[in-house]
Amino acid sequence: SQQGEEDPQALSIQEGENATMNCSYKTSINNLQWYRQNSGRGLVHLILIRSNEREKHSGRLRVTLDTSKKSSSLLITASRAADTASYFCATDVMGSWGKLQFGAGTQVVVTP
Amino acid sequence: GAGVSQSPSNKVTEKGKDVELRCDPISGHTALYWYRQSLGQGLEFLIYFQGNSAPDKSGLPSDRFSAERTGGSVSTLTIQRTQQEDSAVYLCASSLGLAGGRETQYFGPGTRLLVL
Repeated sequence: SQQGEEDPQALSIQEGENATMNCSYKTSINNLQWYRQNSGRGLVHLILIRSNEREKHSGRLRVTLDTSKKSSSLLITASRAADTASYFCATDVMGSWGKLQFGAGTQVVVTP
Repeated sequence: GAGVSQSPSNKVTEKGKDVELRCDPISGHTALYWYRQSLGQGLEFLIYFQGNSAPDKSGLPSDRFSAERTGGSVSTLTIQRTQQEDSAVYLCASSLGLAGGRETQYFGPGTRLLVL
């Protein structure tokens, strides 16, 4: 099974609402990264959070990491229609020398 | 170009034919990665190049898949005798490679491969 698993698989919200998605993983990590993908093509890097960090912010994005629970969350505040995309967490597993392990993603739809 | 580029954008081929997919990483990035994304799935790691070190091929699904990186820059992923299950989007990424690869990876737009 995959190292990272996102929850929920799909999320539908209205503009202005917050969107929260979670990621769980199985083994110790160096860092965890969140990516966005539009229309099944290239991934856009959002945030990297290291294993010794607990929270990170970037604009409307807030990421938390709980290594004791092996979980992370991504919060998008005041969502916009342009936030409609699939969001993936990717773990950089210790000893794996940089090859990321991705979950299946959360598909977010933001309606105007 | 500022980002990772890949060519072709789309490739349709017949079962049994060989295909070559190209990746141009960001200038100065020593680490290069290939991933595969099947429909509706997350990304699956294929292969990782770091500088002049031997590549990590642990993710290649079969011996029909191979990749090379010439001059530490451009990489080519080759799939021989393609099968229908090879149909996927093939994504390339690069990173600075300063921390054993443990840093932000920047992805290209991908090549969508369809094997008929």
